[in-house]
Parts: sequence; C-alpha cells; structure tokens
Amino acid sequence: EVQLVESGGGIIETGGSLRLTCEVSGFIFSDYWMHWVRQSPGKGLEWISRINSDSRSIKYADSVKGRFTVSRDNDKNTLYLQMGSLRPDDTAIYYCVRERFSRSSLGDFDPWGQGTLVTVSS
Amino acid sequence: DIRMTQSPASLSASVGDRVTITCRASENIKTFLNWYQQKPGKAPKLLIYTTSTLQSGVPSRFSGGGSGTEFTLTISSLHPEDIATFYCQQSYISPWTFGQGTKVDI
Repeated sequence: EVQLVESGGGIIETGGSLRLTCEVSGFIFSDYWMHWVRQSPGKGLEWISRINSDSRSIKYADSVKGRFTVSRDNDKNTLYLQMGSLRPDDTAIYYCVRERFSRSSLGDFDPWGQGTLVTVSS
Repeated sequence: DIRMTQSPASLSASVGDRVTITCRASENIKTFLNWYQQKPGKAPKLLIYTTSTLQSGVPSRFSGGGSGTEFTLTISSLHPEDIATFYCQQSYISPWTFGQGTKVDI
C-alpha cells in the first residue's frame, strides 16, 4: 500500500523556522517527482514546491521562494521541506504529494499524505 | 499565473440528482485539467486527470469534459458518499493552480 506520512508541524512564532518530513512507503520513491501543497482557509489549495527524482530540478511558488527549501533522501525514502522566515499567512495544512506517474512531471497529484498543520503565530 | 475559477461555490442536491460543476481557466490549458475530491477532515484525492480520464477506482458516475478554458465535472446520480468539496487544478504550466472549490452537500 502506498503511504505518505508527514510530520514536523506545530505552532511557531513569526520569523521562526520549521522542518517538515514526509516518509513514504509502498512504492519506489526514487522513481517519482514529489510536491508539497498547502491548504489554508483563506487561500485554499496552493502548490508550493516540486522536486524531481534526483533533486536536480526544483521549483517553488513565488510565495515561498527564498524562504522554503525542498529536499529528499532517496535512501531514506523521505521528502523534506525546510521552512524559514515564517509568516502568519504560511499557516496551513501542508501535504506531501506524489506525481501520479513515475519518472515524469505531469502535474497531477496522487496520492496525498494526511497532512501536517503548521500554525504561525503573530 | 493561471487563475482557475469554479462555479458554483456550493450546491445542495438530492440523492440521485445529476450535478455539474464548472471550472474556468484564465487562459488556454488545452486538456491539462484535473479534478480532486476532498471529504471533511481528509486529504484531497485525485478523481479525474487530463479532463476526462477517471483515476483507478473512481465510480463511473463521475465524468469530466471540456477543453481550452472551460471544463465540467458531472456526477450523473449523486450518492450520499459523494458529499465533499471538489477542486479543479490545471497541470498545463507551473505554478500549478487550483480552483477555490465547490462544496456539494445533500
């Protein structure tokens, strides 16, 4: 069974840093491009980052560029999101998401992890 | 960025009703349009990709259509377990963007 399990969320003050982790199982992690998508009441669903299989191609949404860093460890089947200079509008559920199809970036997301809540207090 | 606009924002229907949700893109995205279903307290789940292809396991009462800038998601006969919020998403170009969602209840 394919599983993506996020952790690392919590309450953090404005300007702080947090690292999210996504541990995956049930598929060959190194074959898949991975994404982070967040969901907040105010902004709905927002794609924020993508990393390809070997970490050589990375993209960010403008809203997080320069503050967030995505990385992966294929040996540990783990995806990371290092978040810095956090702001109240970064408050959201953060989902780890896999590309539906291996070895490609078609931009359709399946499956999703259960999400981890990040709350940035002012 | 491509803006995705869904209508209606919410709807209430009866079991057995035909339900249609519309999604409009701010520019031509060909058929690079996906639909997700999110039930309360759960993560979104891919329902349909590239406009009209049902993801494995999705009931055939769901269908998708359209191209260019206008797309639809149709539930031919609403079931109680279909209560959810539905999101469209364009996969034509990064940054991949979502509609604001359509909440369907009974």
